[in-house]
Amino acid sequence: AQSVTQPDIHITVSEGASLELRCNYSYGATPYLFWYVQSPGQGLQLLLKYFSGDTLVQGIKGFEAEFKRSQSSFNLRKPSVHWSDAAEYFCAVEGNDMRFGAGTRLTVKP
Amino acid sequence: DGGITQSPKYLFRKEGQNVTLSCEQNLNHDAMYWYRQDPGQGLRLIYYSQIVNDFQKGDIAEGYSVSREKKESFPLTVTSAQKNPTAFYLCASRHRTGTGNKNTIYFGEGSWLTVV
Repeated sequence: AQSVTQPDIHITVSEGASLELRCNYSYGATPYLFWYVQSPGQGLQLLLKYFSGDTLVQGIKGFEAEFKRSQSSFNLRKPSVHWSDAAEYFCAVEGNDMRFGAGTRLTVKP
Repeated sequence: DGGITQSPKYLFRKEGQNVTLSCEQNLNHDAMYWYRQDPGQGLRLIYYSQIVNDFQKGDIAEGYSVSREKKESFPLTVTSAQKNPTAFYLCASRHRTGTGNKNTIYFGEGSWLTVV
């Protein structure tokens, strides 16, 4: 079965700084990959997804992610973080079913 | 508006009591899912259903039961056999087309269950 690892449990960045959240997956075939964001006590909102084609995908709220098959990674990036980006971020991989990483909590310093 | 509605938002359960969490979607989605979320552990799959009258166990199905009598409804019962039920529960759904699950999964707003 597929699996997802998010190595960073908690990341703190200053407002306006760049951001990269790491995601590594394990799956034998071409995966479908997703990034979701969750505000406290809320459901998950889709930021972006990768199915095929261009390995750099653009999402909502200025986020992007790059699929690197050689590294089994799908890292999420944003050039300039806003205070409203503080939340929990989940990477997910679709294989036989949907599997989620443990999440990375983002704190934004003023 | 189309979406996934979970109720109640907050629920308290006494020891030895069964409780049922409701999940309704008006998106005409075929597949529905229940996830449990604990702090620092991400989402773990409890049960999922690809079509009406059929469902499959996920990774942590013990102590839970589901039914799928209607396409739009997928209630989750937390039974007294679930020894540590306090958690945040998320329902999700999506279309299932062809031979793959390429479609985006959408989530409800979640339900908090606390054992008192």
